Amino acid sequence: GIQVEQSPPDLILQEGANSTLRCNFSDSVNNLQWFHQNPWGQLINLFYIPSGTKQNGRLSATTVATERYSLLYISSSQTTDSGVYFCAAVNFGNEKLTFGTGTRLTIIP
Amino acid sequence: EAGVAQSPRYKIIEKRQSVAFWCNPISGHATLYWYQQILGQGPKLLIQFQNNGVVDDSQLPKDRFSAERLKGVDSTLKIQPAKLEDSAVYLCASSLREAYGYTFGSGTRLTVV
Repeated sequence: GIQVEQSPPDLILQEGANSTLRCNFSDSVNNLQWFHQNPWGQLINLFYIPSGTKQNGRLSATTVATERYSLLYISSSQTTDSGVYFCAAVNFGNEKLTFGTGTRLTIIP
Repeated sequence: EAGVAQSPRYKIIEKRQSVAFWCNPISGHATLYWYQQILGQGPKLLIQFQNNGVVDDSQLPKDRFSAERLKGVDSTLKIQPAKLEDSAVYLCASSLREAYGYTFGSGTRLTVV
């Protein structure tokens, strides 16, 4: 099945800083999603982005499907952005959403 | 639209006991998934339903785990008997069709002591 790798595994930033999270995947995808898991364990869908660029407020994401990676940008970080960010992908012919190992983001006031 | 509903939120049981989790997907979503998330790891798919039929249960430990989706709507996941290593968050998700965006419920945090 598809392999999904995320980097960095941990990121600690001061409030107000910008960050870039990376997701590499090993095969062609027809679904790529970014999730934020809050401290209570809820997985919040941030973006459904198998290709192209999307923006939602301070967050934006870009997937370059031909090069098999996706980036999540967080600008002007707030303490509420803390948590674990997961990238998950579905590849053609194997319709399972496979998760990466996540990036733990900690925003310090 | 209403989200994916799960219950209970938390459950603590002793090893060898049984437990059941319930999930109500978003209305109209044909595909339903159960994931297991062990602390510090990403969620892992246990079973996938398309309407009331099983599409993939290759990762489900069938000697102790069972799941059903009667009438293609609600689903229950059961563990009998539970082991210590079953301590995890059990997440339910649904999607309109395979490979479309998934929506997750709040999860059930299971602790086996």
